[in-house]
Amino acid sequence: SQQGEEDPQALSIQEGENATMNCSYKTSINNLQWYRQNSGRGLVHLILIRSNEREKHSGRLRVTLDTSKKSSSLLITASRAADTASYFCATGLRSIQGAQKLVFGQGTRLTINP
Amino acid sequence: DVKVTQSSRYLVKRTGEKVFLECVQDMDHENMFWYRQDPGLGLRLIYFSYDVKMKEKGDIPEGYSVSREKKERFSLILESASTNQTSMYLCASSPYYWGGYGYTFGSGTRLTVV
Repeated sequence: SQQGEEDPQALSIQEGENATMNCSYKTSINNLQWYRQNSGRGLVHLILIRSNEREKHSGRLRVTLDTSKKSSSLLITASRAADTASYFCATGLRSIQGAQKLVFGQGTRLTINP
Repeated sequence: DVKVTQSSRYLVKRTGEKVFLECVQDMDHENMFWYRQDPGLGLRLIYFSYDVKMKEKGDIPEGYSVSREKKERFSLILESASTNQTSMYLCASSPYYWGGYGYTFGSGTRLTVV
């Protein structure tokens, strides 16, 4: 089941601009996470926001979470060419046995043009 | 840094073969996961394990099985490979049973079934 949906599917901006990606989900969550993937390699964890938090920062990243709207956004400020990658949101859900599992969206492909 | 190592980067197998994909993590993580990634479908959870010899089905377990005999190793088994199992397979691990922590991913195995 695809819990998260990212919007837009693809985003192309100029270096130095800010990039905003959105994620919507369907069910109650424990936390929401954002990951980056370069060129079909493994995913890299960027940031985690818990369901009782509304905003979180990490360097040039800012994540917001609105549980009433079941949505999150990832803002990358002052983008760089190295930020070119696919970005995925993932929602932390409790499994049948009580363990955490992550359900991923389809991703946003971000291209930073020099 | 936590490392998650997948045994093969690329793999080509024939239809009907039994295929083993191996994943090893070196940070004593309790949870380990297998995902497959396909264009337009994002990451989908196949199976995960929250302890040695303990496993739980993900969203698409059909045609797959798993084995976790030691804490650091989690194997994905394709009992009889089929062409529709051609995909990128990603292994991940995370600490704690229900801790809301980010995952650490391996670099992926691109499997082609011919």
